[in-house]
Amino acid sequence: DAGITQSPRHKVTETGTPVTLRCHQTENHRYMYWYRQDPGHGLRLIHYSYGVKDTDKGEVSDGYSVSRSKTEDFLLTLESATSSQTSVYFCAISESSTIYQETQYFGPGTRLLVL
Amino acid sequence: AQKVTQAQTEISVVEKEDVTLDCVYETRDTTYYLFWYKQPPSGELVFLIRRNSFDEQNEISGRYSWNFQKSTSSFNFTITASQVVDSAVYFCALSDTLQGAQKLVFGQGTRLTINP
Repeated sequence: DAGITQSPRHKVTETGTPVTLRCHQTENHRYMYWYRQDPGHGLRLIHYSYGVKDTDKGEVSDGYSVSRSKTEDFLLTLESATSSQTSVYFCAISESSTIYQETQYFGPGTRLLVL
Repeated sequence: AQKVTQAQTEISVVEKEDVTLDCVYETRDTTYYLFWYKQPPSGELVFLIRRNSFDEQNEISGRYSWNFQKSTSSFNFTITASQVVDSAVYFCALSDTLQGAQKLVFGQGTRLTINP
């Protein structure tokens, strides 16, 4: 159990509304990630973080911003939600027991519906 | 650019049959990781296996086995004597990062249904 929680688990919002999703981890992992899952696309990386205040863009970062002010929390913000951002959002951490053994573990997901 | 292709969108078999899920990948890197994840109907993503590109040994874990073939850029997953509990969406994924932030590229997923 990688100790990852996401909140909220479900959210319905309206187009143009700002939305923030939270990912919380309990085990001090350095790397955290946000993915979105859509039918026919698998999961796609939105943003990732390699430390407090250190973040970078992934494959589908347009329309999203992130922040990491504490090791344990990684926030994903949709500044002005659009219907195309309706998706299931997964947070992940990567963990390794030894070098060359990095593995990502995922949170339970947040289902977001933008009307 | 990296790419992962799972050509089988959906597979349906009867319980106790063997089933193989295909995964073909593209990368220019000589060293990389490959992964399989399971997503049961409850929605969570469960890590199944990681394979480093410099380790071509195939692996078996109970009824699960994985066949990694660098020559054909494939990392196929076989379930032997399938069970209803194996019903899930299975994702294959690739990362070219052996250290540091690990940016996974996923295939589209294969929905496996095991019928009683």
